Amino acid sequence: EAGVAQSPRYKIIEKRQSVAFWCNPISGHATLYWYQQILGQGPKLLIQFQNNGVVDDSQLPKDRFSAERLKGVDSTLKIQPAKLEDSAVYLCASSPGLAGQETQYFGPGTRLLVL
Amino acid sequence: GENVEQHPSTLSVQEGDSAVIKCTYSDSASNYFPWYKQELGKRPQLIIDIRSNVGEKKDQRIAVTLNKTAKHFSLHITETQPEDSAVYFCAASKGYSTLTFGKGTMLLVSP
Repeated sequence: EAGVAQSPRYKIIEKRQSVAFWCNPISGHATLYWYQQILGQGPKLLIQFQNNGVVDDSQLPKDRFSAERLKGVDSTLKIQPAKLEDSAVYLCASSPGLAGQETQYFGPGTRLLVL
Repeated sequence: GENVEQHPSTLSVQEGDSAVIKCTYSDSASNYFPWYKQELGKRPQLIIDIRSNVGEKKDQRIAVTLNKTAKHFSLHITETQPEDSAVYFCAASKGYSTLTFGKGTMLLVSP
């Protein structure tokens, strides 16, 4: 089966600009996650969707980050305006059913550099 | 919330040696502990997981042990090979809550 797809793979922007990332999960997977992975650290959850509803967005900086998952399939993550500290790899993952106790399948990530 | 500490941050071994990576967690209610492997420039992939109703799980050269009393779990890799070189992340969760990842261990296996 096809894996989790993400685009773009790389993005370079200047601070205060906007950027959007796209994720297409594995077909049929109910749960979708967005993680931020700063160099040298483990992935940190930003937001988790189950179908098209938000399950956990407690660590999402809502003043600048937003995400949506229309029709319970694809998802977009947006940063507006970007800060230097947003430079990281943004990973999307999906799992078949309920969160936390299942294998999460990760996409290749989008590497963001904010100058 | 949950806090996961992982040690060491870097581990260098010779091919054929064993490698052990240790993690501690703070929430005694956590009951699911996966390990992910991330090769350079690639996506994280699950290599093994353990639930709190067992103390050890093995899959070929990889094993994970769990000590619920001490709130720590470890990844053991035997007969290491160069292709085992990667960053390994432990994680923990409880119920339907999301995973909390450790900071990762870079394993370098020298031929």
